[in-house]
Amino acid sequence: KNEVEQSPQNLTAQEGEFITINCSYSVGISALHWLQQHPGGGIVSLFMLSSGKKKHGRLIATINIQEKHSSLHITASHPRDSAVYICAVRRGRASGGSQGNLIFGKGTKLSVKP
Amino acid sequence: NAGVTQTPKFQVLKTGQSMTLQCAQDMNHEYMSWYRQDPGMGLRLIHYSVGAGITDQGEVPNGYNVSRSTTEDFPLRLLSAAPSQTSVYFCASSGHRVDGYTFGSGTRLTVV
Repeated sequence: KNEVEQSPQNLTAQEGEFITINCSYSVGISALHWLQQHPGGGIVSLFMLSSGKKKHGRLIATINIQEKHSSLHITASHPRDSAVYICAVRRGRASGGSQGNLIFGKGTKLSVKP
Repeated sequence: NAGVTQTPKFQVLKTGQSMTLQCAQDMNHEYMSWYRQDPGMGLRLIHYSVGAGITDQGEVPNGYNVSRSTTEDFPLRLLSAAPSQTSVYFCASSGHRVDGYTFGSGTRLTVV
């Protein structure tokens, strides 16, 4: 079983829809990251979370440490949001983590239609 | 602009050839790492470094070599390229533990 699971794998939405992407993990972590990868291939860091909730523009990320679950929400989705969204966790020291190493989910491919 | 510079963007190698993928950052980040990305799989860690002179293996280190002689540079060497090393490679860096990560633009490598 993968240590980081994302759902759904693929998501198609109409412009303006509210979108949720989920991430579950099975290891103790020190932080969780949400990344965005556009069709051109570059990877951009969206959020780093260790607790609670963060918001940046139309993007909201939440994490529940007890349930080992995080969600990425996009409000009022737009075609330019079309990308692969990747959840990654940094394993905590108690879980045998080395400084900095990330474990990645397989990504969620989002397509927003106009 | 501050960031991670990764070269080349594209490369085609013949089986058995060697090459070096370059990665440089100008943010004084102590942590640097190399990942490969293959279809249907998440990014996987090849090698990483927590500071100059310190490197360690990740999940898929076989066939790759790294060194970290300076804080800025972290090259990845393919010793004898194999078709199984056809992939997209990303370099990433991070500063203090609470920092996020900065990724290079990626290298698409094809081994024929």
